[in-house]
Amino acid sequence: EPEVTQTPSHQVTQMGQEVILRCVPISNHLYFYWYRQILGQKVEFLVSFYNNEISEKSEIFDDQFSVERPDGSNFTLKIRSTKLEDSAMYFCASSGLGQGKGANVLTFGAGSRLTVL
Amino acid sequence: AQSVTQPDIHITVSEGASLELRCNYSYGATPYLFWYVQSPGQGLQLLLKYFSGDTLVQGIKGFEAEFKRSQSSFNLRKPSVHWSDAAEYFCAVDAGSGGYQKVTFGTGTKLQVIP
Repeated sequence: EPEVTQTPSHQVTQMGQEVILRCVPISNHLYFYWYRQILGQKVEFLVSFYNNEISEKSEIFDDQFSVERPDGSNFTLKIRSTKLEDSAMYFCASSGLGQGKGANVLTFGAGSRLTVL
Repeated sequence: AQSVTQPDIHITVSEGASLELRCNYSYGATPYLFWYVQSPGQGLQLLLKYFSGDTLVQGIKGFEAEFKRSQSSFNLRKPSVHWSDAAEYFCAVDAGSGGYQKVTFGTGTKLQVIP
């Protein structure tokens, strides 16, 4: 079964450092997403991406965050200057383009745990 | 704005017992509803989904959920729980427009299964 793969599985960084989280979505999917889950809290929507541009973003997704699809397979989330409160599990997801919304569901990766010290 | 409430933070059941996890949603239009499961250290796996039609939907691993519009609920059930079902379960509603999803998750219910 096709998978969404994420790297790294765990990254530890110092506050103020830049971090790039990488994702390889399912190959024939066209919509890409990042979600985050702070420890003990619920999973929160960050951003959706389609046709090389952001479709929608949440209030969490401020100027410190950016997304990019640098080539035909990778989808990245960059945090320019990490803060302690950015420590969380970051999930990448993708979905296809079917006939109507009912044809599409999110497929999630296993997540990248980011720890900011 | 859409929201999802899972009133039970933690539930403990005996192996072989039945299970019901509660979910209530708030959304102005016809909701698209999901249940996801997250095992420790793992990602989110889709258990089942409701878009339209039959209000009782079947999912993987023997789970089912019933959509009740009058109660704004989408409770998850399983007739006989297995130890491997211990995980965290998230109810979610999709409020995205166009072709993409914008899924709002509940706070989750942690399921503990005891022998």
